[in-house]
Amino acid sequence: SQTIHQWPATLVQPVGSPLSLECTVEGTSNPNLYWYRQAAGRGLQLLFYSVGIGQISSEVPQNLSASRPQDRQFILSSKKLLLSDSGFYLCAWGSDRTGGELFFGEGSRLTVL
Amino acid sequence: DQQVKQNSPSLSVQEGRISILNCDYTNSMFDYFLWYKKYPAEGPTFLISISSIKDKNEDGRFTVFLNKSAKHLSLHIVPSQPGDSAVYFCAASGDGGSSNTGKLIFGQGTTLQVKP
Repeated sequence: SQTIHQWPATLVQPVGSPLSLECTVEGTSNPNLYWYRQAAGRGLQLLFYSVGIGQISSEVPQNLSASRPQDRQFILSSKKLLLSDSGFYLCAWGSDRTGGELFFGEGSRLTVL
Repeated sequence: DQQVKQNSPSLSVQEGRISILNCDYTNSMFDYFLWYKKYPAEGPTFLISISSIKDKNEDGRFTVFLNKSAKHLSLHIVPSQPGDSAVYFCAASGDGGSSNTGKLIFGQGTTLQVKP
């Protein structure tokens, strides 16, 4: 069976510090990978998606970046965090075999102080 | 530009009654719609979906209705149970669920509270 994990679950960082959130998927190959952010009043906002190694598409301009160094690994990064980067970040995977469904990780709560 | 909208931020119903959650969309290219359920501090979990070639899909207590002409879908939960209390997100895809991106566009969510 397929599983998805992301970490850390909770992170408190000062403004201006770097960020790295990691997500890995097991039990499938060549998945599509996604980073979403849950913000108050805006639901789940798609930040980045990737259809293959090294292929990253950004949905919204922002202070964050994403990378996919391996087939089942997706990383969300920032060189210098802003207060507005605080939120609940969710990694998800999907594929042609999942019939349009996306499967989400447990989420990472980021608080920037 | 909110392509998927859930205009009711919250809904409160009595246990045993029907819960109706609504969702509107603007992009006529969307052809696959899903509902997700989310508890605090957890990732969303898939609940039910519907393709644009259908107008109704039922799974146990959950039924999703799609009105393409009105660009509106709704989720009915009958009977509602206290364990159904959660945030419900509708989502849409413009690729029939089989493209090479598969990205979903989500609404803002509706918080459902089912009172015992």
